[in-house]
Amino acid sequence: EAGVVQSPRYKIIEKKQPVAFWCNPISGHNTLYWYRQNLGQGPELLIRYENEEAVDDSQLPKDRFSAERLKGVDSTLKIQPAELGDSAVYLCASSSRSDSTDTQYFGPGTRLTVL
Amino acid sequence: AQSVTQLGSHVSVSEGALVLLRCNYSSSVPPYLFWYVQYPNQGLQLLLKYTTGATLVKGINGFEAEFKKSETSFHLTKPSAHMSDAAEYFCAVTEGNQGGKLIFGQGTELSVKP
Repeated sequence: EAGVVQSPRYKIIEKKQPVAFWCNPISGHNTLYWYRQNLGQGPELLIRYENEEAVDDSQLPKDRFSAERLKGVDSTLKIQPAELGDSAVYLCASSSRSDSTDTQYFGPGTRLTVL
Repeated sequence: AQSVTQLGSHVSVSEGALVLLRCNYSSSVPPYLFWYVQYPNQGLQLLLKYTTGATLVKGINGFEAEFKKSETSFHLTKPSAHMSDAAEYFCAVTEGNQGGKLIFGQGTELSVKP
């Protein structure tokens, strides 16, 4: 079974430029999460989707960040414009409600560097 | 709000020695508890989890953890360290006891000396 797929793996951009990250969850997983991991810290949730609906976006900086999950499968996270402080690893995870414990499985992440 | 504390940002052990990584959580309501491992430039891999039932849980690669409600702890152990265990380890808990958002500790970097 394929795991969570993310692309690109690495991205370097100038500040004020836009950037987008893509995630394909494990097949059949209806819940999708985006986390941000700053250097030397644990991941922090940005947004959680149940199918197409964003059910928790309280930690998403909505002035510059946006996300979508069309058709309840793939998801895209966008930053526009990027700031120096956005340099981090962006992790996507997915889980299935058929798993009563809702265990999350993570992708390899996208490492963003903003210059 | 739930919080997670991992004591020791860096732990160093000799190959063959006991590994002990500490994790404490704040909530009085027992959450679901997880340990993940992260190798350089990779995502997080699930080591083990506790949800209900037996408080001693076994995971992959010889790791195990014990949930102690009275101490609000979920420490990770391995009897004998291997060089390949060198990585970053994260303890994570759910906000409640029904899954959903994970709250992570700051991580513990494990070094294994030959």
